[in-house]
Amino acid sequence: DIQMTQSPSSLSASVGDRVTITCRASQNIYSYLNWYQQKPGKAPNLLISAASTLRSGVPSRFSGSGSGTDFTLTFSSLQPEDFATYYCQQSYSMPYTFGQGTKLEIK
Amino acid sequence: QLQLQESGPGLVKPSETLSLTCTVSGDSISSSSYYWGWIRQPPGKGLEWIAGIYYSGTSFYNPSLQSRVTIFVDTSKNQFSLNLSSVTAADTAVYYCARHSYDSRDSASYYYMDVWGKGTTVTVSS
Repeated sequence: DIQMTQSPSSLSASVGDRVTITCRASQNIYSYLNWYQQKPGKAPNLLISAASTLRSGVPSRFSGSGSGTDFTLTFSSLQPEDFATYYCQQSYSMPYTFGQGTKLEIK
Repeated sequence: QLQLQESGPGLVKPSETLSLTCTVSGDSISSSSYYWGWIRQPPGKGLEWIAGIYYSGTSFYNPSLQSRVTIFVDTSKNQFSLNLSSVTAADTAVYYCARHSYDSRDSASYYYMDVWGKGTTVTVSS
């Protein structure tokens, strides 16, 4: 299985901050990388597919980049509703695997 | 608007079989553009992909669970289901069903899970 490792596991930040989360794959996954946001008690919500494609309805302050083994999710200016847990997920090969999550908390 | 709804028992005894159903509404499950799958999340932990299935019945499994998992589809009811046998406390989790869609770009298909059910909590306990 492809292992996905996110860093940091948790992060405290303030509204308006520019923040970057990193996801690393254990092997080359090209651009087969998705990002999800999950709020407590809710299902994950797809933000970005294919490493950098912003999904419909997702605010433009979110952006994704990377290819190969290293990927990032960037928030240009954090908003109160962005405080949540974020997961990366590879779709290069089955079984699909997720990172362990990055919990973004308010400072 | 496409919606997915999980259903099943909230409590299952150890060694028994967990059976869950996902009902799809707002669109037909019989589309070759998508497939359908299950993901679970133990309390306070991350996400684990379990299995997926096309309406035709072609299925995919996580090898870590394959010996205990069966996924199947009922197109007449617009539903797909999951059976997980010989459950233990480690199978306690929120179970989600999700649509797997894809975009094509440069002869490649990029899959993602774009529509999720709200999840159903399953506890394994005697």
